[in-house]
Amino acid sequence: DSGVTQTPKHLITATGQRVTLRCSPRSGDLSVYWYQQSLDQGLQFLIQYYNGEERAKGNILERFSAQQFPDLHSELNLSSLELGDSALYFCASGENSPLHFGNGTRLTVT
Amino acid sequence: GESVGLHLPTLSVQEGDNSIINCAYSNSASDYFIWYKQESGKGPQFIIDIRSNMDKRQGQRVTVLLNKTVKHLSLQIAATQPGDSAVYFCAELAGSYQLTFGKGTKLSVIP
Repeated sequence: DSGVTQTPKHLITATGQRVTLRCSPRSGDLSVYWYQQSLDQGLQFLIQYYNGEERAKGNILERFSAQQFPDLHSELNLSSLELGDSALYFCASGENSPLHFGNGTRLTVT
Repeated sequence: GESVGLHLPTLSVQEGDNSIINCAYSNSASDYFIWYKQESGKGPQFIIDIRSNMDKRQGQRVTVLLNKTVKHLSLQIAATQPGDSAVYFCAELAGSYQLTFGKGTKLSVIP
């Protein structure tokens, strides 16, 4: 058990909709990272937060946004969903590498 | 449920044999490397790491080798067991906050 908790485990929604994925980092970790894992792209870094503030941005679409709350949990918001957004979304935490990953949220857009 | 791509390189090994999984990295400025194991339905799990000032590091049944000259990383698993069946990813870090992951290799252990 990595100590990183993600909910929900599965999410099925329709195109055009909006969803929110939630992550609780390991106890003591201030950083949260979001990754997308799709069939043809592998693990792609989306965004990192540190103690409530955005620290780094990767290949995150404008339709996607994230935030980290004072209790350090983070949410990834995906809007105007498209079929191509179907993927596994992972959250990771850790102050220094290696990062520790949750078990992901599997998003299916129909 | 399958969690990774359909077109991954696959390595099949007999139980008890040694496995070698290779990874070519792209950034010559990368100074930290990690191997992750991902089982079906789970997130990547840390196996072993190595910094660029080393060329070899050993863990329990695993060894990572780093060849900076040709930008190559390998993971050796001794006495491979059925529980080692998974997808293995290498990841590199070049002084930034984001790990860059390779595409992954699927290891299948034949009992």
